[in-house]
Amino acid sequence: AQKITQTQPGMFVQEKEAVTLDCTYDTSDPSYGLFWYKQPSSGEMIFLIYQGSYDQQNATEGRYSLNFQKARKSANLVISASQLGDSAMYFCAMREGPGTASKLTFGTGTRLQVTL
Amino acid sequence: EAGVAQSPRYKIIEKRQSVAFWCNPISGHATLYWYQQILGQGPKLLIQFQNNGVVDDSQLPKDRFSAERLKGVDSTLKIQPAKLEDSAVYLCASRRGLVGAGELFFGEGSRLTVL
Repeated sequence: AQKITQTQPGMFVQEKEAVTLDCTYDTSDPSYGLFWYKQPSSGEMIFLIYQGSYDQQNATEGRYSLNFQKARKSANLVISASQLGDSAMYFCAMREGPGTASKLTFGTGTRLQVTL
Repeated sequence: EAGVAQSPRYKIIEKRQSVAFWCNPISGHATLYWYQQILGQGPKLLIQFQNNGVVDDSQLPKDRFSAERLKGVDSTLKIQPAKLEDSAVYLCASRRGLVGAGELFFGEGSRLTVL
């Protein structure tokens, strides 16, 4: 079974609009973390935002917010006021496992294209 | 603070040849990861080091891939002999802490093409 599912291979959004990138996850571990990374064409993975499984509030970082719905096992990324520079691949990832053995598993990604 | 350094950025080899990639993590980061990212897919963990010890290498094809992290700092990933399906970007990442909450910092990757 897929640990992390991103069902949108590609998305388009107009500049200055908001966009939601979907992510669902599967784990039986009560303690886990969810991450979103951006990968521009240069190839580097850039950390955007983190949500812990016990966090009561949704994480926010500037124009990025994470819509965490624990019962539905979803962790969607919301980008507000899209900019042309937001065009990139976006990966959802989940950390699970105890302590030093914890590892990060990535989804297949969503390619976001911001248009004028 | 300098980021994660990787070299070479690009490598083209023929199948059955060997190749090695080098990674220098962020100073002080105890945990180091090697990921393989095939075109159009998300990164897949190959091996995870904690200082100079291996924590997880369950997805490393050990008949052809090897990795080491001597002295708990730099790391090398070797492929010998390479196959066509090894064409991918090899990403190195590091994390400061020993326990899982912190984010991973990635290098720019080493793109391997096997002909």
